[in-house]
Amino acid sequence: GDSVTQMEGPVTLSEEAFLTINCTYTATGYPSLFWYVQYPGEGLQLLLKATKADDKGSNKGFEATYRKETTSFHLEKGSVQVSDSAVYFCALNTGGFKTIFGAGTRLFVKA
Amino acid sequence: DTAVSQTPKYLVTQMGNDKSIKCEQNLGHDTMYWYKQDSKKFLKIMFSYNNKELIINETVPNRFSPKSPDKAHLNLHINSLELGDSAVYFCASSQGRTFAYEQYFGPGTRLTVT
Repeated sequence: GDSVTQMEGPVTLSEEAFLTINCTYTATGYPSLFWYVQYPGEGLQLLLKATKADDKGSNKGFEATYRKETTSFHLEKGSVQVSDSAVYFCALNTGGFKTIFGAGTRLFVKA
Repeated sequence: DTAVSQTPKYLVTQMGNDKSIKCEQNLGHDTMYWYKQDSKKFLKIMFSYNNKELIINETVPNRFSPKSPDKAHLNLHINSLELGDSAVYFCASSQGRTFAYEQYFGPGTRLTVT
């Protein structure tokens, strides 16, 4: 079945460091891919998305490129801030009502 | 205006009790969901309704019963609460295929069963 695998956390970085959170997927068909972010005590919110191969999603300095050949959608940010501390979820949808979420990666950013 | 709202935000109750969580969305979406998030942040879908019709019913104990009185509301009733039901429950709604079923989440209800 469809699945999403993302790197285990926690990831701990210093402010202004470069961030990569790896995400790979298995899916039949051509899924849409998402990154959601969950700040402490809140619900998930969409960070960015890409709906077809080679698309790049971007928002708030975060980017991810839909790579069909490697079935990946890695999240990157050039310079993290303390306020980016959160749990990040990679997810996919193959066109139906069900969205498959990864296990989440917790990010801590130190000042 | 809050897009997806849930009440209550916190729920502390004893084993064996029955409780309900309410959810409302004002986004005009046709599809609503209930998710359960455990202490390790793992997110599991429980139910989904599309236009008041149940379309996703994952392997969930039948003590859990969703009800959708209209497209804007999806409630969750839990009978005979158990310790293992302690979790954060999220309601969500989504747009249709054109928007790749992008999910909009509520703030969550933290359920603690003692």
